[in-house]
Amino acid sequence: DIQMTQTSPSLSASLGDRVTISCRASQDISNYLNWYQQKPDGTVRLLIYYTSRFHSGVPSRFSGSGSGTDYSLTISNLEQEDIATYFCQQGHTLPWTFGGGTNLEIK
Amino acid sequence: QVQLQQPGAGLVKPGTSVKLSCKASGYNFTSYWINWVKLRPGQGLEWIGDIYPASGSTNYNEKFKRKATLTVDTSSSTAYMQLSSLASEDSALYYCARPLYYYDVTWFAYWGQGTLVTVSA
Repeated sequence: DIQMTQTSPSLSASLGDRVTISCRASQDISNYLNWYQQKPDGTVRLLIYYTSRFHSGVPSRFSGSGSGTDYSLTISNLEQEDIATYFCQQGHTLPWTFGGGTNLEIK
Repeated sequence: QVQLQQPGAGLVKPGTSVKLSCKASGYNFTSYWINWVKLRPGQGLEWIGDIYPASGSTNYNEKFKRKATLTVDTSSSTAYMQLSSLASEDSALYYCARPLYYYDVTWFAYWGQGTLVTVSA
């Protein structure tokens, strides 16, 4: 199975900050990388698919980048509603696998 | 709009089974795979498997092959996941999710609210 590693289990930032969340795959996943947000109430939603493509309705302050084994999600101008846990997921090879999550908190 | 409705929570005893439901609406239920995902605190998300309602074809994560059984009822547009021989490590939040596709790219565009399963005597 492809292992997905999010090296920062938690991050703390101030409102208005630019935040970058990292994700590393155990092998080249050729940009088949998706990002999800889980809110404190348990609601999960898709943010970014195929490394950098926006899902409808997602604010433009979210963006994704990367290639090969290393990917990142960037939130520019952090807002209160962005407090959540963020997960990466590889869509290259079954079984689909996810990172352990990065919990984003406000300083 | 696409909706996936899941019951909120369930308390079950160790060694028993539980059947979770995921009722779909807002699209043609038989045309899209339904996936199931497990979330335990500190463990991240784990993909359990998926089922294609039109045929009943399934794919399972090897780790969950003896734990989970996926079925559907097309008459009610509902997907089910039965978890057997429940133990404490099965206590988790379980989501159903529906993908979107573009060529060979797949992503989970729609998620249910999740069902919290607590295994306790």
